[in-house]
Amino acid sequence: SQTIHQWPATLVQPVGSPLSLECTVEGTSNPNLYWYRQAAGRGLQLLFYSVGIGQISSEVPQNLSASRPQDRQFILSSKKLLLSDSGFYLCAWSSGQGPYNEQFFGPGTRLTVL
Amino acid sequence: RKEVEQDPGPFNVPEGATVAFNCTYSNSASQSFFWYRQDCRKEPKLLMSVYSSGNEDGRFTAQLNRASQYISLLIRDSKLSDSATYLCVVNIPGGSYIPTFGRGTSLIVHP
Repeated sequence: SQTIHQWPATLVQPVGSPLSLECTVEGTSNPNLYWYRQAAGRGLQLLFYSVGIGQISSEVPQNLSASRPQDRQFILSSKKLLLSDSGFYLCAWSSGQGPYNEQFFGPGTRLTVL
Repeated sequence: RKEVEQDPGPFNVPEGATVAFNCTYSNSASQSFFWYRQDCRKEPKLLMSVYSSGNEDGRFTAQLNRASQYISLLIRDSKLSDSATYLCVVNIPGGSYIPTFGRGTSLIVHP
């Protein structure tokens, strides 16, 4: 069966510090991978998605970046965090590129920028 | 108009009640639809997929109305454990199919 891991579970970082969040998927190959952010009391905002190694699409302009160095690894980074980067970061995967693919989410990282 | 819209609620219902949520979408070319459940401070979890005319799983029924561009989720015989936020997801066609989430509908089931 497929599993998705994210770490760390919680993170408190000062403004201006760098960020690296990691997501890995097991039990599947060539998944689509996604990074979402959910601010407190808000909906999910799609940040990045990837359909293959080295292929990253950005949905919103921001000071975040994403990389996919391996098939089942997706990394979210920032060089300098802003207060507005606080939120619940969720990684998700789905199979294939057609329209009928459900997403499955990791447990998330709760980031607080102080 | 937002691509996917939901009534945020909260819907406050007693145990045993039947409750229904609607979700409207703006892109008529959308082909697949899902309902997710999200508990407080947890990740969303897939509840149901809605591919054609609808889907039923126990106490949960999802319906799709393409003509009016909405999907619905009906929960019968509500349980306390059904309290959560229910997210509507529509795959919007583009270069790839991009999942677009509604902001969710909050359900509170009370004794």
